[in-house]
Amino acid sequence: AQKVTQAQTEISVVEKEDVTLDCVYETRDTTYYLFWYKQPPSGELVFLIRRNSFDEQNEISGRYSWNFQKSTSSFNFTITASQVVDSAVYFCALSENSGGYQKVTFGIGTKLQVIP
Amino acid sequence: KAGVTQTPRYLIKTRGQQVTLSCSPISGHRSVSWYQQTPGQGLQFLFEYFSETQRNKGNFPGRFSGRQFSNSRSEMNVSTLELGDSALYLCASSLGGTGIWNTEAFFGQGTRLTVV
Repeated sequence: AQKVTQAQTEISVVEKEDVTLDCVYETRDTTYYLFWYKQPPSGELVFLIRRNSFDEQNEISGRYSWNFQKSTSSFNFTITASQVVDSAVYFCALSENSGGYQKVTFGIGTKLQVIP
Repeated sequence: KAGVTQTPRYLIKTRGQQVTLSCSPISGHRSVSWYQQTPGQGLQFLFEYFSETQRNKGNFPGRFSGRQFSNSRSEMNVSTLELGDSALYLCASSLGGTGIWNTEAFFGQGTRLTVV
């Protein structure tokens, strides 16, 4: 069984603070994908990053960075110098092939509020 | 280019009725997938269509079905609606050559279904 845990349901930070969103996953497969999506109030999910299980290299994209650690089954997401526009719900997701189908599991999401 | 378009945006149905939701993917995208989002269950994968064929499916009852047309537009149907089917239904499209989770997916704004 696969599982994605986002222990932080809501986080509030003051603008310009750094914030880390945690994601811990469980899977028995050696091949899988991890994702982060952002859902602003408008509703659509915005793709942020995809990482496959064989690539543990951390990634930085502007103010966003991701720390993938297989040893702790974590794929954490950090926003530096947060801005009000970062306010949204962020989802971590895990995908793996199972019986010919790709099974996808989303975390429950972390609601981030950036206060001006 | 135009994004993913879902219609209608809002829908109210009575228990026992059936409903059809529509999703028009980004031009050139051949993969369309559907998701259900509820406060209690979070985001759950329903199914994915690629070139008019269902390629992947989640763990939902047979009341939930879909199809994809030759122009890649997709419809999702829910029969015998239950109160628990009230949710935001999101559609995503991608080029999808080797599975939606191997390429970036673009989401629509969703259809908010309320069953009364």
